[in-house]
Amino acid sequence: ETGVTQSPTHLIKTRGQQVTLRCSSQSGHNTVSWYQQALGQGPQFIFQYYREEENGRGNFPPRFSGLQFPNYSSELNVNALELDDSALYLCASSLAQDRVGGEKLFFGSGTQLSVL
Amino acid sequence: SQQGEEDPQALSIQEGENATMNCSYKTSINNLQWYRQNSGRGLVHLILIRSNEREKHSGRLRVTLDTSKKSSSLLITASRAADTASYFCATDRFNQAGTALIFGKGTTLSVSS
Repeated sequence: ETGVTQSPTHLIKTRGQQVTLRCSSQSGHNTVSWYQQALGQGPQFIFQYYREEENGRGNFPPRFSGLQFPNYSSELNVNALELDDSALYLCASSLAQDRVGGEKLFFGSGTQLSVL
Repeated sequence: SQQGEEDPQALSIQEGENATMNCSYKTSINNLQWYRQNSGRGLVHLILIRSNEREKHSGRLRVTLDTSKKSSSLLITASRAADTASYFCATDRFNQAGTALIFGKGTTLSVSS
């Protein structure tokens, strides 16, 4: 158990819809990162939030957006869903001493999103 | 973009044998980490090795890092059926704000009893 919880665990949406995924960080952590993992692939970095500010973004379009709240919980929003968005979405929290990071991540169990 | 690449993609061994997985990466790093993932669930951190370290141990795990060759290896000794999982190496971008971990595609390890 990492103390990172994600909801929901499974979700089915249709193309063009919008979705919000939620993550509760481990107590005391100030950084949250979101990853997308397609079947048979490694996780791909979407973005990271450090103390409520975006702290880096991967190669994902603007329809992927996020928020980090004062209690360090986080949301991932995806607009205009496409079939290729079907994947396991992983949230990871960490305690960063500064913005540089590289610290170890504590992952939640993920949200499996299916887009039909 | 920088990415760790694990080798082999799949590995099948018997209980009690050792398992070795390799990882190569492309650019300078601060740290290299290994993670384990059971059957489509969340990843679990195994070990972190810094760029100025050459070897690190944790229980039955031994990790080496060769920054001149930009490669790392993970050795699991005396494997058990419970070690069956996917293993990923992850590297960070060197000295940049907004550091992310970049994962490889992983090695799938099957340990049979």
